[in-house]
Amino acid sequence: DTGVSQDPRHKITKRGQNVTFRCDPISEHNRLYWYRQTLGQGPEFLTYFQNEAQLEKSRLLSDRFSAERPKGSFSTLEIQRTEQGDSAMYLCASSSGQGSYEQYFGPGTRLTVT
Amino acid sequence: GESVGLHLPTLSVQEGDNSIINCAYSNSASDYFIWYKQESGKGPQFIIDIRSNMDKRQGQRVTVLLNKTVKHLSLQIAATQPGDSAVYFCAENLGGYNKLIFGAGTRLAVHP
Repeated sequence: DTGVSQDPRHKITKRGQNVTFRCDPISEHNRLYWYRQTLGQGPEFLTYFQNEAQLEKSRLLSDRFSAERPKGSFSTLEIQRTEQGDSAMYLCASSSGQGSYEQYFGPGTRLTVT
Repeated sequence: GESVGLHLPTLSVQEGDNSIINCAYSNSASDYFIWYKQESGKGPQFIIDIRSNMDKRQGQRVTVLLNKTVKHLSLQIAATQPGDSAVYFCAENLGGYNKLIFGAGTRLAVHP
């Protein structure tokens, strides 16, 4: 499968715990995005990487959230001290950035904070 | 299981009919628009896109129309099939890093 992959697909955690999600973009895509989606809503932009550089962060990304893309390939999104309001689907997307604006989405990680 | 678009507006059509899904976008400076299809428990799947210098683009069984005057986008699906049942989102790009702003979504229900 050469699409965007995310791990884990589902995560249940207790309030206050830390969680980390991983995204593997399509090979050679230099642009990587994280979005958050709650039930009944469209995805909301969280942050964007071009190669290893994090170039934009949404105001939705509080200090408890941190994202990295250390080698310009896979990315991780960590949420510290989770809150029930963090429960959502976390989606990763990638694009080639070469004359194409298409973003290809992964299957998402469904986070449930109890 | 979970349901994407729990409280979204629903368009119900008969199998074989044509479907038209509408979307109003927010920013007149947006230069690129995409339609995505999302099935329950899955990530959004690219359907078709259009740049702001065009007003119509056709794909396989799908057509996107862009009316910049009223900031309106529509997706037409010909000969709708049961496999088309999903939630459909339009998204706009405000330029720069191609950050996408998604609309509210519409659930398409196809009945045999």
